[in-house]
Amino acid sequence: AQTVTQSQPEMSVQEAETVTLSCTYDTSENNYYLFWYKQPPSRQMILVIRQEAYKQQNATENRFSVNFQKAAKSFSLKISDSQLGDTAMYFCAFMKHGGTYKYIFGTGTRLKVLA
Amino acid sequence: DAGVIQSPRHEVTEMGQEVTLRCKPISGHDYLFWYRQTMMRGLELLIYFNNNVPIDDSGMPEDRFSAKMPNASFSTLKIQPSEPRDSAVYFCASSPTGTRSEQYFGPGTRLTVT
Repeated sequence: AQTVTQSQPEMSVQEAETVTLSCTYDTSENNYYLFWYKQPPSRQMILVIRQEAYKQQNATENRFSVNFQKAAKSFSLKISDSQLGDTAMYFCAFMKHGGTYKYIFGTGTRLKVLA
Repeated sequence: DAGVIQSPRHEVTEMGQEVTLRCKPISGHDYLFWYRQTMMRGLELLIYFNNNVPIDDSGMPEDRFSAKMPNASFSTLKIQPSEPRDSAVYFCASSPTGTRSEQYFGPGTRLTVT
């Protein structure tokens, strides 16, 4: 069975600084997808970024980028130029390719951006 | 495009009452998921549908919970009878088939059972 671990329950960062959130996962699958979702105080779950395991290139979306290390089963999220609006819970999620379309979520990291 | 729509946004009910949560997925999406989020257990998948057919309901906590999807644009999650431990935020999400496999979440329903 797959598991997703987010070892940092809470983090804080100064506005305009860079922060990295960690995520590790355990799977015997070779093809899968990884996601980062953001949940601000409004509680809406918002997709931040996705990565296909077969792609070696790390995904980027504006100020958000990932460091995907397949061999190490690591999938960290880097937020550059942090903004107050980045304050939220961040969830890492795993989905096996083909078949069930089920997500396995981590427990989340609460990020606070300080003015 | 409208996103996933859930109603009500907030529900407060007394123990023993029936509760019905509603979801309208994004048009054209053929997967629909129901999740429950609590502080203790995080995000749990309760059940999901493909083309209106329930595929996996192994996350449904007990027989008090039931879910239906009578057509491609509507799903319900029902709790009967409700209990205080059912208090949580319930999310509905939808996803299209294919390589773009991300799920799009609704705003959630915060359920409080007193």
